[in-house]
Amino acid sequence: GIQVEQSPPDLILQEGANSTLRCNFSDSVNNLQWFHQNPWGQLINLFYIPSGTKQNGRLSATTVATERYSLLYISSSQTTDSGVYFCAVDSGANSKLTFGKGITLSVRP
Amino acid sequence: NAGVMQNPRHLVRRRGQEARLRCSPMKGHSHVYWYRQLPEEGLKFMVYLQKENIIDESGMPKERFSAEFPKEGPSILRIQQVVRGDSAAYFCASSPSATGQYFGPGTRLTVT
Repeated sequence: GIQVEQSPPDLILQEGANSTLRCNFSDSVNNLQWFHQNPWGQLINLFYIPSGTKQNGRLSATTVATERYSLLYISSSQTTDSGVYFCAVDSGANSKLTFGKGITLSVRP
Repeated sequence: NAGVMQNPRHLVRRRGQEARLRCSPMKGHSHVYWYRQLPEEGLKFMVYLQKENIIDESGMPKERFSAEFPKEGPSILRIQQVVRGDSAAYFCASSPSATGQYFGPGTRLTVT
């Protein structure tokens, strides 16, 4: 099956800093989503982005499908951005998502 | 438009009991997916259902686990004779079509 690798595995930032989170995948995809799992365990949709670039406030994402990677940019980070960021892809007929192992982000005040 | 709803949010069961987890998809969504998040293993697909049909159950353990999505009412994930290894967070997601899934808050199952 498709492999999804995220890097770096852990990231510590000072409040106000910018960061880039990366997701590599091993095969062509129909769908790619970024999620934020907050400290309470809830999975929050950030982006549905099989290709191209999207922006939502301080967050933006770019997927280069031909090169099989996606990037999530966080600007002016805040302590509430802390948590685990997951990339998930769907490469088959039934749209089931395969998740990466996640990137744990800690934003220090 | 309410999001995906799951209940209970927390469930404690003794070994050997049954666990029933419920998921109400977003209004207008006919596709339901269940995922499990085990400690140290990440999020894994379990089963994909549409109304009254199981479309893909390739991620379901072969025994004790079953899922349904009846014509009326929520989708149910049922675990019979629970064991400690079933302790995990179980997430439901729904989709209006085959693009973009929206996740519920999860049910945290603890088996004692």
